[in-house]
Amino acid sequence: DAGVIQSPRHEVTEMGQEVTLRCKPISGHNSLFWYRQTMMRGLELLIYFNNNVPIDDSGMPEDRFSAKMPNASFSTLKIQPSEPRDSAVYFCASSLAFFGRRAGDTQYFGPGTRLTVL
Amino acid sequence: KNEVEQSPQNLTAQEGEFITINCSYSVGISALHWLQQHPGGGIVSLFMLSSGKKKHGRLIATINIQEKHSSLHITASHPRDSAVYICAVRSEGGGADGLTFGKGTHLIIQP
Repeated sequence: DAGVIQSPRHEVTEMGQEVTLRCKPISGHNSLFWYRQTMMRGLELLIYFNNNVPIDDSGMPEDRFSAKMPNASFSTLKIQPSEPRDSAVYFCASSLAFFGRRAGDTQYFGPGTRLTVL
Repeated sequence: KNEVEQSPQNLTAQEGEFITINCSYSVGISALHWLQQHPGGGIVSLFMLSSGKKKHGRLIATINIQEKHSSLHITASHPRDSAVYICAVRSEGGGADGLTFGKGTHLIIQP
């Protein structure tokens, strides 16, 4: 398996522009997570999905952030409009949850998207 | 919200030394993860624990549920072990099934 795939790997944009980050989870996994990593705050959960349904988005910083999962093999995280403080590495992770649980045990991380907002 | 504290924040050691990294958390958990982040940024899951002890090669992870504490040990450390080691917990009960992370321990093993 190719693992979790994220694109783009690097994104540089100007303040005010729309940014879309993409994630393809491991085939067969039913839980997907979006995390953000900064030097100041470390890794933080933004939102996670189970069976394509958003379960908890309490970590999404504000209305400028939105995430979708239209099908089991694709998710997007959109920032509109972007601001310099959004600069971070954004990780997507997936896991396989059994027996009605909403998240599996081992999460497999993608390589991350390094976002720089000028 | 669970507070996750790791110590030390930075650790430099000589090749061959026994390494211990500690993690404490504030409220009950259903699982604790140890992750390794390489200098290039990639994150790899090392262990998932809910009780006791796990061993994989030179890595050993232990957890004490009563004391809300976990340790990651590296025996016969090697320069390729240099990385950031991150403790993450999934809180029990309601709330997010996503992980709450510690700030990480930056480990450097010198030859």
